[in-house]
Amino acid sequence: EPEVTQTPSHQVTQMGQEVILRCVPISNHLYFYWYRQILGQKVEFLVSFYNNEISEKSEIFDDQFSVERPDGSNFTLKIRSTKLEDSAMYFCASRPGTGDGQPQHFGDGTRLSIL
Amino acid sequence: AQSVTQLDSQVPVFEEAPVELRCNYSSSVSVYLFWYVQYPNQGLQLLLKYLSGSTLVKGINGFEAEFNKSQTSFHLRKPSVHISDTAEYFCAVSRFGNEKLTFGTGTRLTIIP
Repeated sequence: EPEVTQTPSHQVTQMGQEVILRCVPISNHLYFYWYRQILGQKVEFLVSFYNNEISEKSEIFDDQFSVERPDGSNFTLKIRSTKLEDSAMYFCASRPGTGDGQPQHFGDGTRLSIL
Repeated sequence: AQSVTQLDSQVPVFEEAPVELRCNYSSSVSVYLFWYVQYPNQGLQLLLKYLSGSTLVKGINGFEAEFNKSQTSFHLRKPSVHISDTAEYFCAVSRFGNEKLTFGTGTRLTIIP
């Protein structure tokens, strides 16, 4: 069964550094998402992306964050200048383009640790 | 905006006993409902979903959930749990026409041998 792939599984970065989290969504999917889960807290929506543009973003997704689909397969989340509070598990998800209510398929996540 | 409440943060259950994990939601518009499971060190895997139609939905691994519109609930049940069911379970909703998922805080299911 096709799956969403995220790399790296664990990223350790110094505060203030830029970090790029990478995702390969399922190949025929058209909608892409990033969520995060701070340790011990709920999974929170960050951003949705469709047709090469952001369709919705949360208040968490400020100017320090950006997303990109640089080619036909990758979907990336960039944090420009990381803060301690960005430490979290980041999940990428994708879903097909047809039909309302289609479930999102999640990757295994990237654990981001900011030192 | 919608919200999801999972009333139990932890549920310990003896192996082969039944279990119910509770989920209530709040929304001013119609929603789709989902249960996801997260095994240790893994991502979120879809257990089941309610879009429309029959209020009792069956998912993978013997789980089922019942949508109750009047009580705005979507409780997850399994008649007999196994050690392998040990995981965190998340209830989530999305609005019609908006695919963003809003998650509950999760319920950690621990199976006691």
